[in-house]
Amino acid sequence: RKEVEQDPGPFNVPEGATVAFNCTYSNSASQSFFWYRQDCRKEPKLLMSVYSSGNEDGRFTAQLNRASQYISLLIRDSKLSDSATYLCVVPWKHAGNMLTFGGGTRLMVKP
Amino acid sequence: DTAVSQTPKYLVTQMGNDKSIKCEQNLGHDTMYWYKQDSKKFLKIMFSYNNKELIINETVPNRFSPKSPDKAHLNLHINSLELGDSAVYFCASSQGWPRTSRTDTQYFGPGTRLTVL
Repeated sequence: RKEVEQDPGPFNVPEGATVAFNCTYSNSASQSFFWYRQDCRKEPKLLMSVYSSGNEDGRFTAQLNRASQYISLLIRDSKLSDSATYLCVVPWKHAGNMLTFGGGTRLMVKP
Repeated sequence: DTAVSQTPKYLVTQMGNDKSIKCEQNLGHDTMYWYKQDSKKFLKIMFSYNNKELIINETVPNRFSPKSPDKAHLNLHINSLELGDSAVYFCASSQGWPRTSRTDTQYFGPGTRLTVL
């Protein structure tokens, strides 16, 4: 298994839809996880942190399943502005600020 | 005000040349990083650096070297450029040091698109 693996997509959804992405990770010792968002030809930006079983921020919900070693990102009521690539991020063991990024899942929200 | 800035934004050069990319952060952070994002969009960490420690991803060729004149700057120097070095290079910074149990938010610069001909 790759360190961090994501379905590259693209996920094409209509406005208002609910969409979910999964990310699997190989290091069972990982304690914290993150979702970053990257717009086309822009830099990545932190979207959400996932420290325990899950985290919710408005329309975005991130969940963690330690037993199966995956995290998910759920976006409700999709907006056109949600179109971006969503990067799953797992810190190195014993070096929390060294990050391993997944390849990203591309989301395209259509009118 | 730009938090993390990089120059140049675009860099086109010939194989075998030596080039540098500059990065500056005005966030007062302790640690800075360099990442490479290749054509397949995989973002990989290359280095992290603060005034105490340099951590190098073992997959990075020794043609790449970070140089930090002070806490707010981390430049990336690349010797003998190769075609495979073509990518977007992102600088980032965070408040904490690399070897910590927690993960601090990293703030990325806008990227430098390097093309090696």
